Amino acid sequence: TQLLEQSPQFLSIQEGENLTVYCNSSSVFSSLQWYRQEPGEGPVLLVTVVTGGEVKKLKRLTFQFGDARKDSSLHITAAQPGDTGLYLCAGGKYGNKLVFGAGTILRVKS
Amino acid sequence: EPEVTQTPSHQVTQMGQEVILRCVPISNHLYFYWYRQILGQKVEFLVSFYNNEISEKSEIFDDQFSVERPDGSNFTLKIRSTKLEDSAMYFCASSRYGGTSYREQFFGPGTRLTVL
Repeated sequence: TQLLEQSPQFLSIQEGENLTVYCNSSSVFSSLQWYRQEPGEGPVLLVTVVTGGEVKKLKRLTFQFGDARKDSSLHITAAQPGDTGLYLCAGGKYGNKLVFGAGTILRVKS
Repeated sequence: EPEVTQTPSHQVTQMGQEVILRCVPISNHLYFYWYRQILGQKVEFLVSFYNNEISEKSEIFDDQFSVERPDGSNFTLKIRSTKLEDSAMYFCASSRYGGTSYREQFFGPGTRLTVL
């Protein structure tokens, strides 16, 4: 069974602070996708990383795929209240399904 | 920007009734998926579909579930006899690439299924 463990489960920080969310597995994935999900809505794709060691930046968000392609991190610099939401990581293999983590609920207070 | 659409947004049904959830994937995508998310739990894979065939299914996807692409645009999930535990958000997703390429999946807004 492939599992993706996300940590922390919940994060509450002040505006302007930096934070990192982690996604870890004992399995190797061919890709790792990060989504953001609002209550009652579908996951919205933020980024996909596919190469071990790959780093992608999306404005204040930095995504990294581990060298062994078993883990990933999402780093947010100078968090803003608009970053509040549920962040999900999902691992894919050369197949079909995505395996999702349980998510990290981020709350940024102004 | 193209997006996956789903109807209805909310479906309420009685236990034992059949429901059909509908999805219109992104037009040039070839791979289609259904996932579900029970309230407060992880998003779980149900089934993937390519070239008019199921390519992979989970243990959740038993004989009560079926999928179909009845025309060139719609992709449906049917639950023949709903159970209370089928109550969940059901998400359709689609991706363009397949084979040995990674599959970047785009999700619809979901259908909330409530079984009474």
